[in-house]
Parts: sequence; C-alpha cells; structure tokens
Amino acid sequence: RKEVEQDPGPFNVPEGATVAFNCTYSNSASQSFFWYRQDCRKEPKLLMSVYSSGNEDGRFTAQLNRASQYISLLIRDSKLSDSATYLCVVNIGGATNKLIFGTGTLLAVQP
Amino acid sequence: ETGVTQTPRHLVMGMTNKKSLKCEQHLGHNAMYWYKQSAKKPLELMFVYNFKEQTENNSVPSRFSPECPNSSHLFLHLHTLQPEDSALYLCASRGSTGPGLKQYFGPGTRLTVT
Repeated sequence: RKEVEQDPGPFNVPEGATVAFNCTYSNSASQSFFWYRQDCRKEPKLLMSVYSSGNEDGRFTAQLNRASQYISLLIRDSKLSDSATYLCVVNIGGATNKLIFGTGTLLAVQP
Repeated sequence: ETGVTQTPRHLVMGMTNKKSLKCEQHLGHNAMYWYKQSAKKPLELMFVYNFKEQTENNSVPSRFSPECPNSSHLFLHLHTLQPEDSALYLCASRGSTGPGLKQYFGPGTRLTVT
C-alpha cells in the first residue's frame, strides 16, 4: 500500500465548477498535513496546511479526518489558473520531519 | 520570489561525466533536503541535513554524493550516473523545530543523463 494515495486524475472541469480531491495516508503517527500545488515543470508550492477542524482559504477548503486517515481539498468556482497538479503531503515527524508526497492529482480547468 | 535558489536549472550530462548541483537558501533555515522527482512518480526524499549534519540518507546510490558546507548551501555531486537518473532534482529548506513548519522548494534542476 502506498504511504500517501491520491487519484491521479486528470480531473477535467469547466470554469466555475466545484471540484474535490481526496487523499488517504497509511501512517497513523503522521503529525501534520499539507496540500501543495505544482505547475507543469515547476517546483511544488505550499497551498495550505490541513487541520482536523477544517480550514478555508478563499475558494479552497481543506479537511482532515484522522480516524479515517483521510484528507480532502475542495476548490469552489474553479478558475483557469487553478489548472495544476495538487499534491497531498504528510509529515511523519521524527528528527528529520520527513514529508511523504502523493503522486498528485492533475486538474485541468476548461474555458 | 523563492528564497531557495538552485543552479543549474538544466543539465545534460554523459554517464562518465562528473557534475554538481548547487542549492542556496536565503531564509535563515537550518534544515535542507534533496528530492528526486521522476515522471509519474511521487517526490522521493534523498538526503536531509540538519545544522550541516546529514540526518537521513534514503538508500540513495553512492553515485549521488551530498555536501553541506554550511546551513545555507547544499550540493549534490554526481558521477557515473545512469539514464534512469534523469529527473527533476529539487532542493528544499525548512526552519527549526515542530512538525508543522513548512518546507520551501527551489525551482529544481532538470537533469538528463545521456
């Protein structure tokens, strides 16, 4: 089983649509959780941290369910500029604060 | 924009060449990381340095040799690479303490081994 599992997509959605990405992780001792965004041929950039209480940043809402080891990202009112790969990332802690990355979910927002 | 820079941005090398990748962070961080990103695969952690000391080597072949002379600079020395080593090599840095502190990535070096 992969340590962090995501649906690779692609998700093709029209502008203005709401789209949801899911992610599961296998290490129950994981300590912190993130969504990163990676544009084609660029480096990953932090989109947002994910908390159990749920958190929102504009059109983006992230949710964590520790019992189910499940993380989600909801994007409302999709823009063309949202097209990218979204990486689910888990920090398993320890001395190195090691990040485990999912393979990413590709989103293509169509005009 | 980013406080983490990497050079070169692109590199083509033969299997018998020796080259080095350089990473520099201007964020005052204490931890630096090397990752490899191959097509269709998740980012793979290669090495971790905390306060210039290597704290993790993720079973990386010896043809990759890291060097961290100080907390701001990180190198990856390459020799006798294989074509399957072609990938995007990303450097990241992070501040001290706490699992919630984020890692910031450099733009990467796209390496092609011929």
